[in-house]
Amino acid sequence: GENVEQHPSTLSVQEGDSAVIKCTYSDSASNYFPWYKQELGKRPQLIIDIRSNVGEKKDQRIAVTLNKTAKHFSLHITETQPEDSAVYFCAARDFGNEKLTFGTGTRLTIIP
Amino acid sequence: DTGVSQNPRHKITKRGQNVTFRCDPISEHNRLYWYRQTLGQGPEFLTYFQNEAQLEKSRLLSDRFSAERPKGSFSTLEIQRTEQGDSAMYLCASSPTSGSPLHFGNGTRLTVT
Repeated sequence: GENVEQHPSTLSVQEGDSAVIKCTYSDSASNYFPWYKQELGKRPQLIIDIRSNVGEKKDQRIAVTLNKTAKHFSLHITETQPEDSAVYFCAARDFGNEKLTFGTGTRLTIIP
Repeated sequence: DTGVSQNPRHKITKRGQNVTFRCDPISEHNRLYWYRQTLGQGPEFLTYFQNEAQLEKSRLLSDRFSAERPKGSFSTLEIQRTEQGDSAMYLCASSPTSGSPLHFGNGTRLTVT
């Protein structure tokens, strides 16, 4: 089955700087890669996703890049703000399989 | 659209007791998922429904766990003879079609004492 590894487990960034979180996956058939943000005691919320036919996707301060050959994808947050502090999870799923496999999460702290 | 609703939010039970959780998906979402999340970990897949049919179950779902979605709308997850290792956040999610993003509920936090 799919295995998703996520790094780093914790990340502290000065407000205004950029943050990068990286994930690798094992199943070359995976073709859908979402990122979720989870604040303390709240539900995971989708912030951005990318499919394997695209190498990069941007939404305002958030971007995701995908390298299918290397089987890794990354989340980039620019101009970080205190409200970006949360736990971020990457995930992977292959076409025709409804099961999302999640990484272990990255706790991002934005230092004012 | 009020989002995915889960009840109760918290459940404390003694070891050996049975518990049941409920999930109401976003209306018209025919796919419903149950995940379990323990502290410091990502959500782990438990099971998935398309309408009323349970199409996939994880090996994590032991014989003590059973899930139903009798009318293709709300779903229940029952854990029989609870164990301390069952303590976790149980998350429900729904999606409208295959390949669509999952929308999660706020979860039910289970504590087994």
